[in-house]
Amino acid sequence: AQSVTQLGSHVSVSEGALVLLRCNYSSSVPPYLFWYVQYPNQGLQLLLKYTSAATLVKGINGFEAEFKKSETSFHLTKPSAHMSDAAEYFCAVTQGGFQKLVFGTGTRLLVSP
Amino acid sequence: DAGVIQSPRHEVTEMGQEVTLRCKPISGHNSLFWYRQTMMRGLELLIYFNNNVPIDDSGMPEDRFSAKMPNASFSTLKIQPSEPRDSAVYFCASSYTGLNTEAFFGQGTRLTVV
Repeated sequence: AQSVTQLGSHVSVSEGALVLLRCNYSSSVPPYLFWYVQYPNQGLQLLLKYTSAATLVKGINGFEAEFKKSETSFHLTKPSAHMSDAAEYFCAVTQGGFQKLVFGTGTRLLVSP
Repeated sequence: DAGVIQSPRHEVTEMGQEVTLRCKPISGHNSLFWYRQTMMRGLELLIYFNNNVPIDDSGMPEDRFSAKMPNASFSTLKIQPSEPRDSAVYFCASSYTGLNTEAFFGQGTRLTVV
């Protein structure tokens, strides 16, 4: 079954610094991968998704992720962190014949001034 | 569209009581998901429906939990009887059917069982 692993439950960066959130997937078939963001007391919101059309995927709020099959990774990056990026980020993969979204454990991004 | 609508936003109940959480998916979506989020276990998929039919309920923790989708615009998640360990945020999400389609989440229901 497909699954994702997120390394690091917390990541701290300074405002303006590079953001790198790690996600590795396990899948016997080409996966469909997603990054979601959750702001405090909110539901999850899609940042971007990989659907095999392009390995570098651009999302909202300046985030992007690169699908690397050789590394089974789909890391999320942003060149310059903003205070408003502080949130929890979830990597997810679809599983099964229907869209059964399976989430990683999440990474909380902390941004300091 | 107003998005996925969940009610109530907050629920506090006493152990042993029945709790019903409600969800209205986005019009036109034919897949619906119930998730539970806790600090200890993260986001867990409880059950998902396609075209109002339960497809996979393997995530439902035990018989105290039940979910229904009587029509395309409404779903309920019921806990009877409730226990303190059921305290969590419960999310409903909906989407079109398809492996690469986006799921839209509601704001969640924060359940506290005392």
